[in-house]
Order: sequence, then C-alpha cells, then structure tokens
Amino acid sequence: NAGVTQTPKFQVLKTGQSMTLQCAQDMNHNSMYWYRQDPGMGLRLIYYSASEGTTDKGEVPNGYNVSRLNKREFSLRLESAAPSQTSVYFCASGREGLREQFFGPGTRLTVL
Amino acid sequence: EDQVTQSPEALRLQEGESSSLNCSYTVSGLRGLFWYRQDPGKGPEFLFTLYSAGEEKEKERLKATLTKKESFLHITAPKPEDSATYLCAVQTRSQGNLIFGKGTKLSVKP
Repeated sequence: NAGVTQTPKFQVLKTGQSMTLQCAQDMNHNSMYWYRQDPGMGLRLIYYSASEGTTDKGEVPNGYNVSRLNKREFSLRLESAAPSQTSVYFCASGREGLREQFFGPGTRLTVL
Repeated sequence: EDQVTQSPEALRLQEGESSSLNCSYTVSGLRGLFWYRQDPGKGPEFLFTLYSAGEEKEKERLKATLTKKESFLHITAPKPEDSATYLCAVQTRSQGNLIFGKGTKLSVKP
C-alpha cells in the first residue's frame, strides 16, 4: 500500500497564479484533511472532508477551495496565490471518530 | 480556548542520555492525545494514541504517558536515529479535528 500520496512535491508560483494540489489514499479511509505547516506555527487545518460528498472549513480556509472527488481523492485549490500561502502542505486521511490520522509526504509551495 | 503546548522547543541529548518531552493541554474535554514523529522534509509519522489518564504506550525506546493535564514522551537511551521533531496533538469532545502543538526538535549526538 502506498498510503497517502501527494503531487507535486515542489511548486513555485507567481502571485495571482492558480494551482491544484492533489492527494490520494489507498487505505479506504472515510475522512481526509488538508493542513499547512509554517515555521513557529505548527500544523493548521485548512479544510477537511469527513466522508465522500462533504467538506468543511478548518482553522485557516481563506484563499483555498477543496474538492472531494471520490473516496480516495481530495484536492486543494489555490485560485489566486499570494505570498502568504508560501508553506508546506500536508494531506492526511483517517477513519471517522477517535482515530489517528496518516499523513502524506507534503508539497512545498513557494509563491513569489 | 483549546490549547496544546509542547516543551522544550528544542532538546539536545548525547547518545544514551535519557530524557522526556512534555505536552500540556487545556481543552474542554479530551477524547484522545496523539504523538507523531516528523523527519525533515517528510510528513508526520503516527506513533501513539492515548485515551485516558494513567494510560501508557511503548514502542522501542519511546514510552508515552498521559495525565489529566499533560502527556510525556520518555526516550530511554536514545540513538542518533531518534533525532526528529516530535509533535503532540489532541482531539476534543467538542470538535473532531486534531489540534497540534508546535513540536519539540530532538537532536541526539553520537
């Protein structure tokens, strides 16, 4: 099993450009999550999807949109990138309820 | 407001020198506490889940314990390969998502 996979691994954007970060999991988990990790800030939840067909805002959703394409895939879209969105983005998945989350390898995004 | 605080921010140990990392939390009802390990340039790797005060979990040189206000990650006779950032997260009864601390960066020198 590959676990949680993310593409791309690295990306550089100019201010105002758009892009989509892709995430897929093969563990048959219902819940999926997008986090950003910044120095000194820890992991912060952007959006999550408790099950296929549902999405909800997390702590820092502004400037992002998500799509739960099917049970396996959960994408994060930046419509108009800003330098403040320079960060490392992690996707995670887990079973519902009181369960641990499993993380992907991350996407390092730089917005110039 | 729910909060998770980890200390120290950084810890340097000599190989074989045992120590503990602390995760203190102020939440409105704890459902579970999670420990993760994160290596540079990689995603967090799940280590333990603790559900109630008094519970302990062990894995190799690591032992996690939980009280009503904090959790400790004890590292016994660490090796250089234990060097990583250790993250603590809590899940509360009021919301299902995880709240992460900022982590403790552990360096173990040979």
